[in-house]
Amino acid sequence: DADVTQTPRNRITKTGKRIMLECSQTKGHDRMYWYRQDPGLGLRLIYYSFDVKDINKGEISDGYSVSRQAQAKFSLSLESAIPNQTALYFCATSDLGTPRANEQFFGPGTRLTVL
Amino acid sequence: GENVEQHPSTLSVQEGDSAVIKCTYSDSASNYFPWYKQELGKRPQLIIDIRSNVGEKKDQRIAVTLNKTAKHFSLHITETQPEDSAVYFCAASRNNAGNMLTFGGGTRLMVKP
Repeated sequence: DADVTQTPRNRITKTGKRIMLECSQTKGHDRMYWYRQDPGLGLRLIYYSFDVKDINKGEISDGYSVSRQAQAKFSLSLESAIPNQTALYFCATSDLGTPRANEQFFGPGTRLTVL
Repeated sequence: GENVEQHPSTLSVQEGDSAVIKCTYSDSASNYFPWYKQELGKRPQLIIDIRSNVGEKKDQRIAVTLNKTAKHFSLHITETQPEDSAVYFCAASRNNAGNMLTFGGGTRLMVKP
């Protein structure tokens, strides 16, 4: 599903560095989400945005920030990366105005390693 | 907030057998329960979902059942095939939470040929 893309796909960085993960979508969806996936913990919501002027904290927002630059773009930043932020990060989208309003469409994921 | 627990964390079955994955949730206001499948190295994708006004839903070899009183729901896969091998996630949300999903911890299903 190339409609939701993430860059980079893999990133290795060092403790204390600032990192930005980017998500773009061509689906025209209004809602976008950032999750992290850790083994045995499922997918946990970091931040979500219902439109360009709307940003909301999720379950685990500490240490992260986001920017919704346009309807199609939602970026996740780690201001000062730490090793326990090593995880697989997924962006997702959904659209309230569609018949399947609750379905979330995921990007391919970004594997981040913080040394 | 909502808490979703999923069991078992791993499940191994022989090809052709059935597989059942169970989830419980804590928020009685939750009314939407999707299941996502994540193949190795791939992104999660929705495979089936159920709303609280329905007790069971089927789609070919997969079915989901919901017991609102007990606050649990289950995924049933019949006649399992090797391509069913994946990690399965359940989730829960309520309409006035605006599509916010709370996921279970996932079940790694292995179907042995």
